[in-house]
Amino acid sequence: DSGVTQTPKHLITATGQRVTLRCSPRSGDLSVYWYQQSLDQGLQFLIQYYNGEERAKGNILERFSAQQFPDLHSELNLSSLELGDSALYFCASSVDTSFEKLFFGSGTQLSVL
Amino acid sequence: ELKVEQNPLFLSMQEGKNYTIYCNYSTTSDRLYWYRQDPGKSLESLFVLLSNGAVKQEGRLMASLDTKARLSTLHITAAVHDLSATYFCAVDPSGTYKYIFGTGTRLKVLA
Repeated sequence: DSGVTQTPKHLITATGQRVTLRCSPRSGDLSVYWYQQSLDQGLQFLIQYYNGEERAKGNILERFSAQQFPDLHSELNLSSLELGDSALYFCASSVDTSFEKLFFGSGTQLSVL
Repeated sequence: ELKVEQNPLFLSMQEGKNYTIYCNYSTTSDRLYWYRQDPGKSLESLFVLLSNGAVKQEGRLMASLDTKARLSTLHITAAVHDLSATYFCAVDPSGTYKYIFGTGTRLKVLA
């Protein structure tokens, strides 16, 4: 158990809908990363937060947004969902933003039908 | 745009054999990480390499880093079935706060 908690584990929804994925980092970790994993795109970096502030953006679509709350948990919001958004979404955390290995949650499997 | 490429993408090998997975990256970075992912599971950290010439070993796996060549290798010695998994390298170039993963190498060790 990495100590990173993601909910829900599975999510099935329809095109055009909006969903929220939740991540609780390990106790003491200030950084949260979001990744999207799909067969054709591999593991894509979406966005990173450090202590409540956005620090880096990757290949995140405008339909997606995220935030990190004062208690350090993070949420990834996906809206106007398309079939191609179906993927495994991972959250990872670390103490700081560099020199650190990441601890990954078990992921949220999103299926858009 | 930072690119992190691994080869091979797929590797099928016999138990007892040795092999090397290569990770090339396109920008300057003094740090490189290796992760393992079992099918249907999350990623788990294997090695953290923090400087040029760094070498780390754990069991049958050994990782090394050459920052001048922008190359890291993951060497497998006398492979066993339990090593079957997908292996990822990752780079976080200084100042970017991005943590970019490679394409992954799917390893299958045949008994």
